[in-house]
Amino acid sequence: DAGVIQSPRHEVTEMGQEVTLRCKPISGHNSLFWYRQTMMRGLELLIYFNNNVPIDDSGMPEDRFSAKMPNASFSTLKIQPSEPRDSAVYFCASITDRDSNQPQHFGDGTRLSIL
Amino acid sequence: DAKTTQPPSMDCAEGRAANLPCNHSTISGNEYVYWYRQIHSQGPQYIIHGLKNNETNEMASLIITEDRKSSTLILPHATLRDTAVYYCIVKSAGNKLTFGGGTRVLVKP
Repeated sequence: DAGVIQSPRHEVTEMGQEVTLRCKPISGHNSLFWYRQTMMRGLELLIYFNNNVPIDDSGMPEDRFSAKMPNASFSTLKIQPSEPRDSAVYFCASITDRDSNQPQHFGDGTRLSIL
Repeated sequence: DAKTTQPPSMDCAEGRAANLPCNHSTISGNEYVYWYRQIHSQGPQYIIHGLKNNETNEMASLIITEDRKSSTLILPHATLRDTAVYYCIVKSAGNKLTFGGGTRVLVKP
């Protein structure tokens, strides 16, 4: 079975540029989560969706960050404009249902470097 | 969700069992214990979870104390590929996974 698929795996860009990270959840999963991992703050939840609807975006750092889920098989996390402090590894995870006790499954992440 | 306490690091000999402790003294009745691990530059990998009974799968065993205030993850025969950061997380259905610092496990030959 295909797991959670994220693209690109690595992204290097200059500050001020728009960055778009992509995620394809596991087929049949209806909840999707975006996390960010840094050395200083560890793994933090940014936002999560249930049935394509954003449920909790309290972890989104500021208005430069936005996330969408246009359909059940695709989500994007966008940063515009990007800043060096946005450099981190961004993970996407999915689960069958947010009210389930089944585990979240993670992708391999996008390593983002903003110069 | 209840907070967890794990030792920051531990070493283990290859081929031996690795026993990873986790304290969750404020766990409530509907909260599960989940274990994940993260190998360098990869996403967190689910290992096992349980509510109150001991659980075993192809990766590990989870032993939860009767009062549910602590648990132990057992890797029965550690290999070098088990070197990773192991996270113990307590949460209830519908709530978020909150990752703490985890235990950095180094398996030595």
